[in-house]
Amino acid sequence: QLQLQGSGSGVLKPSQTLTLTCVVSGDSVSASAYSWNWIRQPPGKGLEWIGYIHLRGTTYYNPSLQSRVTIILDRSKNRLSLRLTSVTAADTAVYYCARGVDRTGYSRYYLDSWGQGAQVTVSS
Amino acid sequence: EIVMTQSPATLSVSPGERATLSCRASQSITSNLAWYQQKPGQAPRLLIYGASTRATGIPARFSGSGSGTEFTLTISSLQSEDFAVYYCQQYNNWPPLFTFGRGTKLEIK
Repeated sequence: QLQLQGSGSGVLKPSQTLTLTCVVSGDSVSASAYSWNWIRQPPGKGLEWIGYIHLRGTTYYNPSLQSRVTIILDRSKNRLSLRLTSVTAADTAVYYCARGVDRTGYSRYYLDSWGQGAQVTVSS
Repeated sequence: EIVMTQSPATLSVSPGERATLSCRASQSITSNLAWYQQKPGQAPRLLIYGASTRATGIPARFSGSGSGTEFTLTISSLQSEDFAVYYCQQYNNWPPLFTFGRGTKLEIK
C-alpha cells in the first residue's frame, strides 16, 4: 500500500522559505506512469493544486504560485520536496503530497493516493 | 482557468436515503473529473475518476455520472461514515492546472 509521509517546516515568519518533504513507501517515484503532486488547503477552505513533477523531471506549477515554487524529485531517497519562497500569512495551510495517475495516455492525472498532510503556519 | 462549481454547498440527508451532489465545469472537461471525500482532520480520499469509475475499495453505493460540463455524484443509501465534505476536481487542462470545486458538505438530517 502506498504511503506518503510528509514532514518539514511547521511555523514560519513572513518572507521565509517553506520546505516540505514527502517520503514515498510502497511504490517508486521512478515509475513513469505517475506524477507527484503538492496540494494545499488553507484552514476551513478548499483545495488548491500547487504543482507536479514527473519522472522525466518535467514540472508544472499553478500560475498563481509559479514564481515562488519549486518541486524536486529525489529518486535515490524515493521522495519529493516542495520549496515555496517569500511566504506570507496567505500561505498558511495544510500541505499534502499526492500521487497522480494517468489512465488517458495524455498526461491527465487524477490523485489516487494522498499523504497525511503537514500543517504550515506563517505568522510574525 | 477552468472554474468548478459545486452545489449545494450543504446537503442535509437522513441515513439510508439517497444523496445527489452536483458539479459544473466552466468549459468542457470531457470525462476528466474526479470526486474526493474528506473527513475532518484527514486527507482527501479518491472516490471516482474518469467521471464514473469507482476507485479501488470504494463501495458500490457511490456512483458518478456526466461528461462535458455537468457531473453528478450519487450515494444511493447513506451510511453514517458517508457524512463528510465532497470535492470535485477537473484534470483536463493542458498545460496542467488542476482545479477543485469548493466542496459540498454532506450532513446528517
